[in-house]
Amino acid sequence: EAAVTQSPRNKVAVTGGKVTLSCNQTNNHNNMYWYRQDTGHGLRLIHYSYGAGSTEKGDIPDGYKASRPSQENFSLILELATPSQTSVYFCASGDWGGSSYEQYFGPGTRLTVL
Amino acid sequence: AQKVTQTQTSISVVEKTTVTMDCVYETRDSSYFLFWYKQTASGEIVFLIRQDSYKKENATVGHYSLNFQKPKSSIGLIITATQIEDSAVYFCAMRSNMGYKLTFGTGTSLLVDP
Repeated sequence: EAAVTQSPRNKVAVTGGKVTLSCNQTNNHNNMYWYRQDTGHGLRLIHYSYGAGSTEKGDIPDGYKASRPSQENFSLILELATPSQTSVYFCASGDWGGSSYEQYFGPGTRLTVL
Repeated sequence: AQKVTQTQTSISVVEKTTVTMDCVYETRDSSYFLFWYKQTASGEIVFLIRQDSYKKENATVGHYSLNFQKPKSSIGLIITATQIEDSAVYFCAMRSNMGYKLTFGTGTSLLVDP
């Protein structure tokens, strides 16, 4: 069974503080993704990775950094958190080709920046 | 750039009836993939069904099927014999055959009443 886990599940941060959201996958997928979900916007891609050591900017990367130290782990980093980054963040993993085209999503992290 | 539009914000149906959710997309790519995902009340996001742009036949999985109208850039999701547990938010998404990114629509909330 595909598995993507995220930590923490809930986080309250202060404006200007540093926040790190972590994601772990046991699917052995090459690709990993970070999305944020806001009412009226659906899921928007922040950063993604093709494999360990790589990170790429998605559609809304400003204010976020990403790190992929290993095949299994992908982190999203908010160096200076702002209230506009209050959202629900989802990590996903996936590979393209063969019988596997879909992405598998983690349970989400609810981040509140005060 | 790709764009996915879901104009139906919410739909309410009676259990055991059939519902159709609309989705239109924009792309310059000649080959692409279209997906539908379901987000349950708990926040879990799961893959439902996929349509490959080069296939003329509509995809079907269980009580989910697609109405793919390529000339209209439309990919509707049809759920037959709806059940209470089908109540969720449904997202349409697409990916180019040459890319790694998924572009999501804003979602349609489905409520199935007994």
